[in-house]
Amino acid sequence: NAGVTQTPKFQVLKTGQSMTLQCAQDMNHNSMYWYRQDPGMGLRLIYYSASEGTTDKGEVPNGYNVSRLNKREFSLRLESAAPSQTSVYFCASTPTLQGFEAFFGQGTRLTVV
Amino acid sequence: GENVEQHPSTLSVQEGDSAVIKCTYSDSASNYFPWYKQELGKRPQLIIDIRSNVGEKKDQRIAVTLNKTAKHFSLHITETQPEDSAVYFCAAGETSYGKLTFGQGTILTVHP
Repeated sequence: NAGVTQTPKFQVLKTGQSMTLQCAQDMNHNSMYWYRQDPGMGLRLIYYSASEGTTDKGEVPNGYNVSRLNKREFSLRLESAAPSQTSVYFCASTPTLQGFEAFFGQGTRLTVV
Repeated sequence: GENVEQHPSTLSVQEGDSAVIKCTYSDSASNYFPWYKQELGKRPQLIIDIRSNVGEKKDQRIAVTLNKTAKHFSLHITETQPEDSAVYFCAAGETSYGKLTFGQGTILTVHP
């Protein structure tokens, strides 16, 4: 049982490049989330998907897009990376909207130069 | 939307002392308040949570209290140990809506 798996673990991008962060969970959870973590700012929600087929903006969605490919997978795309998007990105999932313990992936450390 | 403030940002204690971290939230609709521990380079992991119909919850050396009227909740760690050193995050959310808002984090250092 792998839980929540993110790829890649590390990535360096040049300004303007695009990339997709992948996330998959094998716990049959309904809801999935993308957070970014910056020093002194906690975990800020980028986008979330309450269930397969739905996505909603979180606190800091600008510059990002998401796709809930199926119940297991939730990807985050940076279309044109900017240095301000340098951060650690965490994917998370919760069982249902009524079951709220969030399980996190191991994180992706992204640097945009 | 929800806003969660967490204090202090850093906390240094001696082994065996108690540590208290406090959070306030703004949205009276929030009814779920978890605490996460994040060790250096690792993912956040849930250590304890409380729902709004409960005022206090305890799990061994860890306890959480909730004051819904004042909109604040606190994490209490007793008999601290060096392995308690980590970043601790509080969060608040409304269970039917599916979002958690996190505080800014507290770096706890326990000195042997």
